[in-house]
Amino acid sequence: GAVVSQHPSWVICKSGTSVKIECRSLDFQATTMFWYRQFPKQSLMLMATSNEGSKATYEQGVEKDKFLINHASLTLSTLTVTSAHPEDSSFYICSVSKGLAGPEGSYNEQFFGPGTRLTVL
Amino acid sequence: AQKITQTQPGMFVQEKEAVTLDCTYDTSDQSYGLFWYKQPSSGEMIFLIYQGSYDEQNATEGRYSLNFQKARKSANLVISASQLGDSAMYFCAMRVPGGSGGYNKLIFGAGTRLAVHP
Repeated sequence: GAVVSQHPSWVICKSGTSVKIECRSLDFQATTMFWYRQFPKQSLMLMATSNEGSKATYEQGVEKDKFLINHASLTLSTLTVTSAHPEDSSFYICSVSKGLAGPEGSYNEQFFGPGTRLTVL
Repeated sequence: AQKITQTQPGMFVQEKEAVTLDCTYDTSDQSYGLFWYKQPSSGEMIFLIYQGSYDEQNATEGRYSLNFQKARKSANLVISASQLGDSAMYFCAMRVPGGSGGYNKLIFGAGTRLAVHP
């Protein structure tokens, strides 16, 4: 597998401020990381794919200027929520993509971090 | 369109009994993968089991097995001998090729909340 950490585990901030969330791959060099958002009692929605050394690829409807992603090294990706508003309050989860061998050949599995709960007042 | 459907918002099961969580999927891709994850109240996503689209045998991992019926496009999770610690949200997910940026992408179902009673 892969061990993934996130920091902070929870954060409360005032409306209009920016918040940075770190995602670290502790035992694996991750070329690709993913950022998800999960609203209460809902499923995970992919926000963007983070690629080391290049710009992130955002899903349709996700504002790239609001959710800044930086994947500066093979072990660290950061998500910055800029000018946060109460509607940005959510659970943010990152994952790393790792290739594994399966019965049908290789496949990519995602290993998730513990998540960061963001509350914007 | 690619889609994962979990029709059971909540399920109850008695401790030590088996339970089946339903998952159906829709995709036109020939190559895909199906995953089940467990999410306890702490929020972490715990990988349970994986089934590849070309894998003819049902996947098994300890007390978890995946009932893969390709023609019906279903991938139900069976938990045998339920334990109190199995109480959590369970998500079915599908890996599809060619997500944004050309990378494999996971799409998730709405989830099923499982409650195990003593």
